[in-house]
Amino acid sequence: DQQVKQNSPSLSVQEGRISILNCDYTNSMFDYFLWYKKYPAEGPTFLISISSIKDKNEDGRFTVFLNKSAKHLSLHIVPSQPGDSAVYFCAARDTGNQFYFGTGTSLTVIP
Amino acid sequence: DAEITQSPRHKITETGRQVTLACHQTWNHNNMFWYRQDLGHGLRLIHYSYGVQDTNKGEVSDGYSVSRSNTEDLPLTLESAASSQTSVYFCASSRTRSNEQFFGPGTRLTVL
Repeated sequence: DQQVKQNSPSLSVQEGRISILNCDYTNSMFDYFLWYKKYPAEGPTFLISISSIKDKNEDGRFTVFLNKSAKHLSLHIVPSQPGDSAVYFCAARDTGNQFYFGTGTSLTVIP
Repeated sequence: DAEITQSPRHKITETGRQVTLACHQTWNHNNMFWYRQDLGHGLRLIHYSYGVQDTNKGEVSDGYSVSRSNTEDLPLTLESAASSQTSVYFCASSRTRSNEQFFGPGTRLTVL
């Protein structure tokens, strides 16, 4: 059973607007969360992470929010740029250092 | 620059054949991982290694094996390829067990 879920397979956003990608998880023991970005024919690359002791982490245009009570995290990209068009995977780490990945959300930023 | 490479990038094989996918990293990372990516499933862990001579089964290890004879390489072997193993395979490495992973470019495997 999928422990990390990305329920939106795709998202389209106008350039300059905010992109919000969502991720839900079921295991309350997850203690570290990550977002990866993947371009076609390339491997995923690490984007941003957040520890379970925090509720927000920001890095330039990228901000990750964690709501532990709802078991939900989101990635905000502001402003969105055409180069942000990619598939985004969220991932979660359990206490045994196993990582679980979501199914991905394909983001298209329209110029 | 340090990197992680996979070969071949594309492979077509027949059911029942043995196939080995190569993964090589030059970061000197102890930790290496193999994932498969399938539509609707995201990335699923096949096998992982925390150091030379260490190997562990992941979520979807049946039909796969790995060996770790040195720090740089973690080859993935499909003992008898099945059509269900048609997938894109990613190798990854990390500096520590708990840190983010660096992924290779992937190998697209088709089993006919």
